[in-house]
Amino acid sequence: GIQVEQSPPDLILQEGANSTLRCNFSDSVNNLQWFHQNPWGQLINLFYIPSGTKQNGRLSATTVATERYSLLYISSSQTTDSGVYFCAVGGAQKLVFGQGTRLTINP
Amino acid sequence: GAVVSQHPSWVICKSGTSVKIECRSLDFQATTMFWYRQFPKQSLMLMATSNEGSKATYEQGVEKDKFLINHASLTLSTLTVTSAHPEDSSFYICSARDPNLMTGARQPQHFGDGTRLSIL
Repeated sequence: GIQVEQSPPDLILQEGANSTLRCNFSDSVNNLQWFHQNPWGQLINLFYIPSGTKQNGRLSATTVATERYSLLYISSSQTTDSGVYFCAVGGAQKLVFGQGTRLTINP
Repeated sequence: GAVVSQHPSWVICKSGTSVKIECRSLDFQATTMFWYRQFPKQSLMLMATSNEGSKATYEQGVEKDKFLINHASLTLSTLTVTSAHPEDSSFYICSARDPNLMTGARQPQHFGDGTRLSIL
């Protein structure tokens, strides 16, 4: 099955800093989604991005499908950005989640 | 956008009881829904794929007699944890594909808010 690796596993930053989260996957995919899981467990859908680049406010994402990686950029971090960020990729049917990046933004 | 509602949000019950969790697609029809489980500080692991009108497909290592899935309508899938024990305590999350975007496997998944299950 598809393998998904996220890096770094943990990231601690000061408010206002920028960050880049990476997701590598082992096979061609039809679906790639980025999620933010807040402290209450809710999964917030950030991007559906099997290829190309998208931006939404301070967040943007790029997927290079031919090289099997995706990047999530967070600019001007705020404390509310803290939580775990998951990349999930899908082939024919189901989504496979990476292990996540735990982001902590300190005031 | 597509909304998936999950109920209840949390459950605490005694060992040996059965617990039912509901997953509803509120503004779209979902022929396929997915059930995931997440242990503390770990990632989400797919348990099973729920197919409307047919049997669920379980991932390797998931006991189908323990985790009963019913998908009787295009907007509702249920997961019943039968004779629950403390090791079944976990965070259970459902998802459904958004049929309004793309087709088939390219459809993004939308997730419910999860159910935190604690078995005493």
